[in-house]
Amino acid sequence: EVQLVETGGGLIQPGGSLRLSCAASGFSVSNNYMAWVRQAPGKGPERVSVIYTDGDTYYADSVKGRFTFSRDNSKNTLSLQMNSLRDEDTATYYCARRALGSHWYFDLWGRGTLVTVSS
Amino acid sequence: DIQMTQSPSTLSASVGDRVTITCRASESVSTWLAWYQQKPGKAPNLLIYKASSLQSGVPSRFSGSGSGTEFTLTISSLQPDDFATYYCQQYNSYSSFGQGTKLEIK
Repeated sequence: EVQLVETGGGLIQPGGSLRLSCAASGFSVSNNYMAWVRQAPGKGPERVSVIYTDGDTYYADSVKGRFTFSRDNSKNTLSLQMNSLRDEDTATYYCARRALGSHWYFDLWGRGTLVTVSS
Repeated sequence: DIQMTQSPSTLSASVGDRVTITCRASESVSTWLAWYQQKPGKAPNLLIYKASSLQSGVPSRFSGSGSGTEFTLTISSLQPDDFATYYCQQYNSYSSFGQGTKLEIK
């Protein structure tokens, strides 16, 4: 079955760190453009970071310098290392696959993992 | 940044109704627009891409139209499974989503 499963969310204090993981099955993450997309409670989604097939990564300004997107081809997994967390990082974090072609819309999403930043 | 504004925020309708949701972009996105359906606790599900192309497996009662700054998602005859929240996303310049339209049972 083609799916994405995120893990690693939880309650963390401001300034803390958390590492999210996303396990892919049914397809290869190394052959696809992948993304982390977050959704704050009651808000629309926001694209946080992307990784290209060549390994290049890009970040939203709101997380640049604090988050790191990486990929493990041997395990077919993605990770998002989140440092210096802020209250406004509270959201459900989804990993998502870019649809075939050259544009950033998403044809496969995981069920998400909730990150709550609060003291 | 391109801002996406959906209307209405909430829509009450009955099974069998024809409903339309509007999405407006703060500047032209050509036809680089997608629509997603999201149910509580679930991931968004792609319905429409390139403004009017139906994603494989999506029922034909869903349709999209528009270009430039104004877009619509139409459900021709609401089914019980369609009550959910719908989001538009532009992907012409970086990426941004609308705030959502909650479709609820009247």
